Amino acid sequence: DAGVTQTPRHEVAEKGQTIILKCEPVSGHNDLFWYRQTKIQGLELLSYFRSKSLMEDGGAFKDRFKAEMLNSSFSTLKIQPTEPKDSAVYLCASSWDRGSQNTLYFGAGTRLSVL
Amino acid sequence: GDSVTQTEGLVTLTEGLPVMLNCTYQSTYSPFLFWYVQHLNEAPKLLLKSFTDNKRPEHQGFHATLHKSSSSFHLQKSSAQLSDSALYYCALSAMQQGTGSKLSFGKGAKLTVSP
Repeated sequence: DAGVTQTPRHEVAEKGQTIILKCEPVSGHNDLFWYRQTKIQGLELLSYFRSKSLMEDGGAFKDRFKAEMLNSSFSTLKIQPTEPKDSAVYLCASSWDRGSQNTLYFGAGTRLSVL
Repeated sequence: GDSVTQTEGLVTLTEGLPVMLNCTYQSTYSPFLFWYVQHLNEAPKLLLKSFTDNKRPEHQGFHATLHKSSSSFHLQKSSAQLSDSALYYCALSAMQQGTGSKLSFGKGAKLTVSP
């Protein structure tokens, strides 16, 4: 079975640009998460979808970060406009919604560098 | 709200010595606890998770015991190996409707095992 696929693996952007990160969850999973990973803050939740419906978007990230899930097998995270402080690894994860014991399956992440 | 605290940011050990990574939590509801491990340039993946019947989960020599009285789920291993060098995250999932598989993560602990 294919795991979570994220593209691109690396992205370099100039300050002020718009970038779009992509994620394909594990087939059949109906929970999808976007996280930002930094050394200082660890894993911060950006967005949470259940069956394509947005359940939660991390309040501090609302203004320039927008995640969408147009179908059950594809999600995007748009950052507009980018700022140098957005440099981080962005992780996508998916799971079956069968309650609180579910395992999250993570993609390898997109490493974003904003100059 | 739910929160997870990991007190050690960086842990350096010599091969063969015991490993203990601390994890304490706060939750309104009776939670499930998880440990995720992330090796360099890889995706985070589940290492182990708590059981509902108070059994002690074990995997790859690691174990953790959920102590509700002290709100802790410390990760332990009797003898560290070089391959244990990785980033370890403790996470919590609350047993409440509507949260699905959403996890609250600690900030992580980077374990480095040297010869």
